[in-house]
Amino acid sequence: QSALTQPASVSGSPGQSITISCTGTSTDIGGYNYVSWYQQYPGKTPKLLIYDVRNRPSGVSNRFSASKSGNTASLTISGLQTEDEADYYCSSYSRTSHVLFGGGTKLTVL
Amino acid sequence: QVQLQQSGPGLVKPSQTLSLTCTVSGGSISDKTYYWSWIRQAPGRGLEWIGYVFYTGATQYNASLKSRVAMSIETSESHFSLKLSSVTAADTAVYYCAREDSRHTVFDYWGQGALVTVSS
Repeated sequence: QSALTQPASVSGSPGQSITISCTGTSTDIGGYNYVSWYQQYPGKTPKLLIYDVRNRPSGVSNRFSASKSGNTASLTISGLQTEDEADYYCSSYSRTSHVLFGGGTKLTVL
Repeated sequence: QVQLQQSGPGLVKPSQTLSLTCTVSGGSISDKTYYWSWIRQAPGRGLEWIGYVFYTGATQYNASLKSRVAMSIETSESHFSLKLSSVTAADTAVYYCAREDSRHTVFDYWGQGALVTVSS
């Protein structure tokens, strides 16, 4: 099954807010509340930011928030900081493939 | 604190079998809550789920790799393994082991990652 669809890149200025979308189908994002988001710096291991659509693990900044509507999930980063420049991946439980990842979105903080 | 430590060769010849092991510490590999997973990332590309092994030895694999993948677990030694056969250059990637919390389909702990290059 195809990966979830994310924009290849987004950008924003320090202090602004940006939103990254992640689109799937009714057999994954639309059908279950098991959407996660990961942050990955170049050459580093992915870090869990969000699970179960909107929940933050302990230690993750509340500048990171997320939601879902239909087959599309969204990650919002508010009060952008230079340290937020990284790649972001969504993932979802999939009825047909167990789990799918998005293709990743490169965030540039201008 | 749970830690996953990967080991295995970084260079594999085409048509041969890639083998990696992930040793778990700080938590029980026999915990029924978790799946022990492998994920890879080709250079400059996104994440691709390869599959998981449960403490019972049950497995589930990505359909696109299923014919070439075998995962196993050794609970007494707290490690699990990946074998990918008949590799080609397209299998060159950073391979991660990870713990998946089955209640949330979320990967909460990851190994350090290992670049495996397929080349003669």
